[in-house]
Amino acid sequence: GAGVSQSPSNKVTEKGKDVELRCDPISGHTALYWYRQSLGQGLEFLIYFQGNSAPDKSGLPSDRFSAERTGGSVSTLTIQRTQQEDSAVYLCASSLGGPDEKLFFGSGTQLSVL
Amino acid sequence: QKEVEQNSGPLSVPEGAIASLNCTYSDRGSQSFFWYRQYSGKSPELIMSIYSNGDKEDGRFTAQLNKASQYVSLLIRDSQPSDSATYLCAVTPGGFKTIFGAGTRLFVKA
Repeated sequence: GAGVSQSPSNKVTEKGKDVELRCDPISGHTALYWYRQSLGQGLEFLIYFQGNSAPDKSGLPSDRFSAERTGGSVSTLTIQRTQQEDSAVYLCASSLGGPDEKLFFGSGTQLSVL
Repeated sequence: QKEVEQNSGPLSVPEGAIASLNCTYSDRGSQSFFWYRQYSGKSPELIMSIYSNGDKEDGRFTAQLNKASQYVSLLIRDSQPSDSATYLCAVTPGGFKTIFGAGTRLFVKA
């Protein structure tokens, strides 16, 4: 596709359930980011993938959060045993890689944990 | 200390005025600096990037960078109601990952 695609756009789940969020980056983009944005807040860095390098997981808030990127393309963010404080918009972005490149964002997944 | 700091605002300016948005960052090794605009309920979009000290102008927008002071700013001239949004400062420190500030909410009053 022409842009970064995220699915689902909305996810409502019960506390304690696991959820998977998907991101399909722009074709040819080697860098992929996950950010979390709580209501009225800025973007909280979660994880960064660059090519075949080991991902930078320094932003993951707990071991309930994990992410993988298969074949250098699609990425899945998994949240296990969801908590109410996990409710937020999860944004995926991709770029051509390197420090000078701008990020292209998907439309985000609104996660609500009841 | 947060890596990228912005005044959360809101900043309110009248239509036609200059809006000045400021940002400081902590990592002296930072290489690239960006301003993204985010409308309510939408995803961020890039409006300016700057990589060297000084000013960079693009239409009504001017980005200013002072690496010695670890300071980045965005000026919006002739502000319009359509400029009302949250402006996010983003910095790429060593390691290439891009870190965002909390954003400044701007309101332009007609």
